[in-house]
Amino acid sequence: EPEVTQTPSHQVTQMGQEVILRCVPISNHLYFYWYRQILGQKVEFLVSFYNNEISEKSEIFDDQFSVERPDGSNFTLKIRSTKLEDSAMYFCASKGTSGRTDTQYFGPGTRLTVL
Amino acid sequence: AQRVTQPEKLLSVFKGAPVELKCNYSYSGSPELFWYVQYSRQRLQLLLRHISRESIKGFTADLNKGETSFHLKKPFAQEEDSAMYYCAPNNAGGTSYGKLTFGQGTILTVHP
Repeated sequence: EPEVTQTPSHQVTQMGQEVILRCVPISNHLYFYWYRQILGQKVEFLVSFYNNEISEKSEIFDDQFSVERPDGSNFTLKIRSTKLEDSAMYFCASKGTSGRTDTQYFGPGTRLTVL
Repeated sequence: AQRVTQPEKLLSVFKGAPVELKCNYSYSGSPELFWYVQYSRQRLQLLLRHISRESIKGFTADLNKGETSFHLKKPFAQEEDSAMYYCAPNNAGGTSYGKLTFGQGTILTVHP
């Protein structure tokens, strides 16, 4: 069964550094998402992406964040200048259609630690 | 404001006992409701969704629009049901592309 993959599984960085988190969505999916989960807190929506542009973003997704689909397979989340509070688990998800009832498939997550 | 409440952070039951994981939501419009599960060291995965009205791994969930609840139930819990469970309405309508709003999650532990 196809799966969403994410790399790396764990990223450690210094505050102020740029990080790029990578995701490979399921191949025929069209809708892509990033969520994050700070330790001990709930999973929070960051951004959705469709047709090569951001379709919706949360308040968390400020100018330090950007997303890109540089080729036909990867979907990346870039944090330009990391802060301590960016430490979290970041999940990528994808789904095949715009249907409200369609399932989002999640990747295993990247744990980002900002020192 | 859109809000999802899972009042129990931890829930412990013994094998064979009934289990109910509560979820209440406050949402504009008519969201679609989902339950996602995360087993130890595994990714988030869909357990069930309201629209399907199906039973997955013995779990069912009934949408009560009057009480705005979507509680997850299983009559006889099994040890392998131990996991984190998230209630997640889908942001429906308008220009939404289906973002999920997660509750805080409930850690279910089923003891032998």
